[in-house]
Amino acid sequence: EDKVVQSPLSLVVHEGDTVTLNCSYEVTNFRSLLWYKQEKKAPTFLFMLTSSGIEKKSGRLSSILDKKELFSILNITATQTGDSAIYLCAAEGDGGSQGNLIFGKGTKLSVKP
Amino acid sequence: NAGVTQTPKFRILKIGQSMTLQCTQDMNHNYMYWYRQDPGMGLKLIYYSVGAGITDKGEVPNGYNVSRSTTEDFPLRLELAAPSQTSVYFCASSTGQWAPYNEQFFGPGTRLTVL
Repeated sequence: EDKVVQSPLSLVVHEGDTVTLNCSYEVTNFRSLLWYKQEKKAPTFLFMLTSSGIEKKSGRLSSILDKKELFSILNITATQTGDSAIYLCAAEGDGGSQGNLIFGKGTKLSVKP
Repeated sequence: NAGVTQTPKFRILKIGQSMTLQCTQDMNHNYMYWYRQDPGMGLKLIYYSVGAGITDKGEVPNGYNVSRSTTEDFPLRLELAAPSQTSVYFCASSTGQWAPYNEQFFGPGTRLTVL
């Protein structure tokens, strides 16, 4: 059964801290791994990773994929209160339905001032 | 562009009632999706469509129906509401093309409570 597991489920840090969020996956015919940030309601797209070892960066956020060990990490440096959100990891496989994402439960990040 | 819009934002139903959740996108995307998100869980795919006139079941289709008569609209129908359908429902759309990636654009969600 395809699955995505995220850890930790929740995390509380102080502004300025660096955090690492983890995502492991098992999907049939893996194609890509995506990270989303969910504030209030709808998730917004952060990164899409398809190749191992290539870091993607956007400001203070970065992410990398390890296709051998089947996991990805999302790093946030110099955290700010605006980073407080649920971070969702999703793996896209080839289970007969293109575009079908298997989501993890998410990591709830709280950044205290 | 408004992106993906959903109506209503909130709804309370009684057991056995029916309703339609509306979803519209103005990005001319071929692919559209319906997800539900239960507390503490990730998104689960209910139905998806790869183009007008074509729909297919996702992971949790029971109790729901969809139609795709136009590229823009992808309504989700609940025929006999049950408490297990209490959830937040997200509609999403994408181009469906792999390169560079199949980014999905999400609507704001509909919070449905069945009592």
